[in-house]
Parts: sequence; structure tokens; C-alpha cells
Amino acid sequence: EIVLTQSPGTLSLSPGERATLSCRASQSVSSSYLAWYQQKPGQAPRLLIYGASSRATGIPDRFSGSGSGTDFTLTISRLEPEDFAVYYCQQYGSQWGWAFGQGTKVEIK
Amino acid sequence: EGQLLESGGGLVQPGGSLRLSCAASGFTFSNYAMSWVRQAPGKGLEWVSGISGGSGGNTYYAESVKGRFTVSRDSSKNTLFLQMNSLRAEDTAVYYCAKAYYGAYGERAFDIWGQGTMVTVSS
Repeated sequence: EIVLTQSPGTLSLSPGERATLSCRASQSVSSSYLAWYQQKPGQAPRLLIYGASSRATGIPDRFSGSGSGTDFTLTISRLEPEDFAVYYCQQYGSQWGWAFGQGTKVEIK
Repeated sequence: EGQLLESGGGLVQPGGSLRLSCAASGFTFSNYAMSWVRQAPGKGLEWVSGISGGSGGNTYYAESVKGRFTVSRDSSKNTLFLQMNSLRAEDTAVYYCAKAYYGAYGERAFDIWGQGTMVTVSS
């Protein structure tokens, strides 16, 4: 089973700034199976990025994903007030199911 | 746009049982794998269980629930289930059901989530 480690745990930034979130896998994984989600308090997670770099329907282009192998990145080019939330990466494995990272909280500085 | 609606959560004593349901609408339920994901209070997301599309012949479980939880589906009723037995305090969480997304190039993710149902295991 794959372990996903996200860093940093908390990112303190101001609106308009750039956010860079990291997700590292314990072993090389398929980019096709790497996704990112946003979760706001009291809400269900929302799919942002699938296949490591493809934006889900309706996701603004300030969100972008990149990476391969064991290192993946979610970038928010210019933070909007509604982007302050917790972000999770996720990996699928056909033999064992799904795994989530522990999350990165993006908070207002 | 599809929707998922969970139900069945509540307060249960340690060692007890509970059955969660997830009603699907707005998409062809039988075509998609489904999963349960939980979130303990103040904690992150934890995948719990998954089931293949169609008749649901393939099921998958996290180690933390293997042997205690059973996932199933009734495609005639567009409903996903999670039977939870031998519940423990550490099973306390919001339980979400989620629909699998299949990308054009084999990508996988969860594109539709329910609003969640709270399960509290306490005496």
C-alpha cells in the first residue's frame, strides 16, 4: 500500500499570493491515478485535479497540478478568498484501493 | 450532474452495528464503482471501502475495517450500502459515499460526493 505525505501541514498566505502544495508517495505511482481535492469546513471534498494535471469540470485555471513518479504538486497561482481550505492528494491502486494524504491547510496570513 | 445522499448514521454503542445507505441519482449508477470515505472529527480523509460497478462482484476494504464492514450495492434501486459491525470508538466519523470517475486516458478519482452522515460510537 502506498503512503502519501503532504507538506507543509499548514500554509499561511495572503490573498493574491501563490500557493505550492506538495504530495510525496512512498513509491513510484501512476500519474493517471493521482488526484487533488479541496475541502471547506462542513462540506464534502470537491475534486480539483485528476490524472495529476487535468482540471475537473468547473475548476478555475488558477489551479494546476504537476509531477510524476513520487513527487506531485498542486499550485494555486493567485489565491482568492474562497481558496482558503484544506487540500488532499489521493492515489488509486488497483490491488489495494485508495489512499489519501493527511492534508494541507491553506490559511489566511 | 449526479447526486448522492447518505443516510443511516447515528449513535451506536461499542460492539454494535449500523447500516449506511447512499442513494444515487442523475447518472447511470450501475456503470460506476463506488466507495465509502470517512473523516473523524478534526481529522483527514480515510478511504474505507469500495465496490466495482455492475453487480458489484469486487469489493475492497481498508485494513482498519476488514472483517467488520461489508459494502454492497443494489443497482435496481440505485443504492450503495455499508454494513458496519463490531463498531469501535475509533469508527466515529462522518461517512461519505463517492462515485468513481473514469477519465479518457484511464484516470481515476472521485467526482461526486454525498454530504455525509455522522456515525458516533459511544456508550
